[in-house]
Amino acid sequence: GAGVSQSPRYKVAKRGQDVALRCDPISGHVSLFWYQQALGQGPEFLTYFQNEAQLDKSGLPSDRFFAERPEGSVSTLKIQRTQQEDSAVYLCASSWTSGGASEQFFGPGTRLTVL
Amino acid sequence: GIQVEQSPPDLILQEGANSTLRCNFSDSVNNLQWFHQNPWGQLINLFYIPSGTKQNGRLSATTVATERYSLLYISSSQTTDSGVYFCATNQAGTALIFGKGTTLSVSS
Repeated sequence: GAGVSQSPRYKVAKRGQDVALRCDPISGHVSLFWYQQALGQGPEFLTYFQNEAQLDKSGLPSDRFFAERPEGSVSTLKIQRTQQEDSAVYLCASSWTSGGASEQFFGPGTRLTVL
Repeated sequence: GIQVEQSPPDLILQEGANSTLRCNFSDSVNNLQWFHQNPWGQLINLFYIPSGTKQNGRLSATTVATERYSLLYISSSQTTDSGVYFCATNQAGTALIFGKGTTLSVSS
């Protein structure tokens, strides 16, 4: 595709449910990033993949958050036992090179609401 | 870690006016990007500008890396320019650090 795509665009979950958010990066992009954006704030880093390797997960807020990119392309962010504080927009970004040295391109995001 | 500050936080303009948005950062950087987040939440890339000056239509940007700031200029603003403008940067690591954004409202 022409850009980064994410699905679903909107997700409503009851507290305690598990959710899975998908990201399709731009074809051939080595790096993939997940960010979390709370209402009225700028995006904040969650985790980073270089191809299939998860090189940095320092931004994941708890062990309920888990991300994978098994074949170095599509990535899934999973949140177990969702809590109300997990409500946010989850953004995925990709870039050509490794190490954050090149321009990052963002998907449209998944807006998660936990009731 | 690096700190990114944007000013002003809010800006209200009449259509046709010009504006300057500022981004200050606390240390030397590897990457600097300007984004426009539209009302639907999509982050649109405006400029990738670790240093120097670039122009794209009515928008231009300048980064003075040695003085740790970047400026985004919007000329002849239009209502479609409304939204939140973010500056984001990183160092030798991977993650972009975002400022809190400037919310621009352009009225006709």
